[in-house]
Amino acid sequence: DGGITQSPKYLFRKEGQNVTLSCEQNLNHDAMYWYRQDPGQGLRLIYYSQIVNDFQKGDIAEGYSVSREKKESFPLTVTSAQKNPTAFYLCASSGYTSGANVLTFGAGSRLTVL
Amino acid sequence: EDQVTQSPEALRLQEGESSSLNCSYTVSGLRGLFWYRQDPGKGPEFLFTLYSAGEEKEKERLKATLTKKESFLHITAPKPEDSATYLCAVQALQGTASKLTFGTGTRLQVTL
Repeated sequence: DGGITQSPKYLFRKEGQNVTLSCEQNLNHDAMYWYRQDPGQGLRLIYYSQIVNDFQKGDIAEGYSVSREKKESFPLTVTSAQKNPTAFYLCASSGYTSGANVLTFGAGSRLTVL
Repeated sequence: EDQVTQSPEALRLQEGESSSLNCSYTVSGLRGLFWYRQDPGKGPEFLFTLYSAGEEKEKERLKATLTKKESFLHITAPKPEDSATYLCAVQALQGTASKLTFGTGTRLQVTL
């Protein structure tokens, strides 16, 4: 079955450490996204990529970095510069359906900073 | 700036008790309005896309409608398995087609 695989599902990090969240898709979608979800807030866009080797900052990119070397993969690094990294992180990809981008989401990765 | 407001924040229904969730939006030209369902600890699951005022879509006990300012998700005779958080999002015509603005969601609980 086609879909998006995120790993790890749970991750614990000490302050000052960088961590990388994996996102792989087999939907043959060109565009991929990273969102952050916090209680009581809507999903907020961190980074997105519309094609390989290109990506753009979203609304809350500070303290995060990404790469897009392959169409299937879009890893997110949470750096030590991110002041409040504890959150639920969602990766998504999109293909066009009648003119609008329908996002397909992964199951999420929950990051906790100790 | 695009904005999405969902109400109520939480809703508790008895099985079979129909109701509606509201999504009010402000966007500079609507490309599409989306409804997603999210179960605890999981990623959102796509339900519907609506494109223009007057449009309606149905799926099992769910029906989504759209006006120029808001969308409703009607739940008819809900069952406990309909319990989830329902998210609304809009995509604007202008700017980057990839960007969606999400609401904070309505947490629905359906009891026996």
